[in-house]
Amino acid sequence: NAGVTQTPKFQVLKTGQSMTLQCAQDMNHNSMYWYRQDPGMGLRLIYYSASEGTTDKGEVPNGYNVSRLNKREFSLRLESAAPSQTSVYFCASSEPLWGGAGRDNEQFFGPGTRLTVL
Amino acid sequence: GEDVEQSLFLSVREGDSSVINCTYTDSSSTYLYWYKQEPGAGLQLLTYIFSNMDMKQDQRLTVLLNKKDKHLSLRIADTQTGDSAIYFCAEYGYGQNFVFGPGTRLSVLP
Repeated sequence: NAGVTQTPKFQVLKTGQSMTLQCAQDMNHNSMYWYRQDPGMGLRLIYYSASEGTTDKGEVPNGYNVSRLNKREFSLRLESAAPSQTSVYFCASSEPLWGGAGRDNEQFFGPGTRLTVL
Repeated sequence: GEDVEQSLFLSVREGDSSVINCTYTDSSSTYLYWYKQEPGAGLQLLTYIFSNMDMKQDQRLTVLLNKKDKHLSLRIADTQTGDSAIYFCAEYGYGQNFVFGPGTRLSVLP
C-alpha cells in the first residue's frame, strides 16, 4: 500500500518549457488535490477533483492545467513554465470532498515535487 | 476570504513543552486540524478538534480552541528531537476546501 506517489521528485526547467507532474493514489479515494508550498505562505490549492471526470479551480490555478485520468491518477501540467512557478508541489487525496466528520476529512499527501524554473 | 495565521518559527529545549499558536478568520469552520511535515516529506495529520469543543488531548498533544477569539493552539509535552518539523494549522468548513496556515517551524535544541 504505497499511499500517494508523485513523480518526479525534483525537476529543473527553463522558462517557457512545459512539463507534467504525475500523481497516483492506491486508497480508492474519490477526491484528489494539487497544492503548491512556498516559504511563509503555507499550502495553496491549485486545482482539485471531487471525482473521476471532474476538476475545479482552487485558489491559484493560473498557469496550470490538470487531468483526472482515472480514479487513481491526477496530473498537473505547466504549459509554459515561469520562474514564479518555482515551488514544491504536493498532491493529496481524500475520501469525501466535503461533509465528512473529523478524521474522515483527512487528506493524505504525497512526498512532493521540488520544481525550479530558471 | 478565509485566512489562517501562525508564527513562523519556534525553538524549545528537549524535554520542555512546545506551544504552537494559530488564529483563523472563518467563523463557520467546523473542524480545525494540525498537520506535521517532516523534512523532505508530505504533510501528515496529527490531530483535529471539532469546533464545539474547547480541548482535546491525545497522548503528548493537547489542542485548545477559543472559538470566540478564533484562536487554536497545539501543546506538545516533553518535546523530543523527533518533534522537529513544520506544523500546519488548517481550518475546514462544510462545502469548502481546507485553508492552511503558513506553518510553524519547530526546532528542538538538545
